[in-house]
Amino acid sequence: AQSVTQLGSHVSVSEGALVLLRCNYSSSVPPYLFWYVQYPNQGLQLLLKYTSAATLVKGINGFEAEFKKSETSFHLTKPSAHMSDAAEYFCAVSDSGGGADGLTFGKGTHLIIQP
Amino acid sequence: GAVVSQHPSRVICKSGTSVKIECRSLDFQATTMFWYRQFPKQSLMLMATSNEGSKATYEQGVEKDKFLINHASLTLSTLTVTSAHPEDSSFYICSGGGNLPYEQYFGPGTRLTVT
Repeated sequence: AQSVTQLGSHVSVSEGALVLLRCNYSSSVPPYLFWYVQYPNQGLQLLLKYTSAATLVKGINGFEAEFKKSETSFHLTKPSAHMSDAAEYFCAVSDSGGGADGLTFGKGTHLIIQP
Repeated sequence: GAVVSQHPSRVICKSGTSVKIECRSLDFQATTMFWYRQFPKQSLMLMATSNEGSKATYEQGVEKDKFLINHASLTLSTLTVTSAHPEDSSFYICSGGGNLPYEQYFGPGTRLTVT
């Protein structure tokens, strides 16, 4: 069975500082990994995805994530936080790419941006 | 592209009644649609997977007679919560996948409140 662990339910950074949101996964097969962002009372927006191509994945809004098989990690980073980045972030895993099977989500990390 | 809509966005119903939530893929055909449930400040949990023209596959612990899912066409899936109870109050999110590799496109969600 696949699972996702997001370390830190809340992360607070200052505007302009580095954002680091941690995600570790477990999967019996090479996984497909995703990061989604959710603003209050809204659905999910895909930030980026790892699909076994390049291990460093660049996404929207300046976010990127690096797949590290040896560490079973897929941490999300952004060099400089912006106030508009404040939201809930979810890491998700799929064995099949997500198109034909549901995703398994982590518990989420609430990102707080301090002015 | 790849837009999914949900209707209604918010619904309040009385205990014991049934409520239907619609999920539509607006600009693509979703062979597979997924229904997730999200409790306040928690992650998304997959409830069921539906394929057009066939019965939905429910996750363990989800009552199929309570959460009726119909996927009548490649652009429409419905979730009916029957005999709703206050504990059914939640945020329900659908997504469409299937022919789109590696991605699910999420709807904006429906906030159900059962009084």
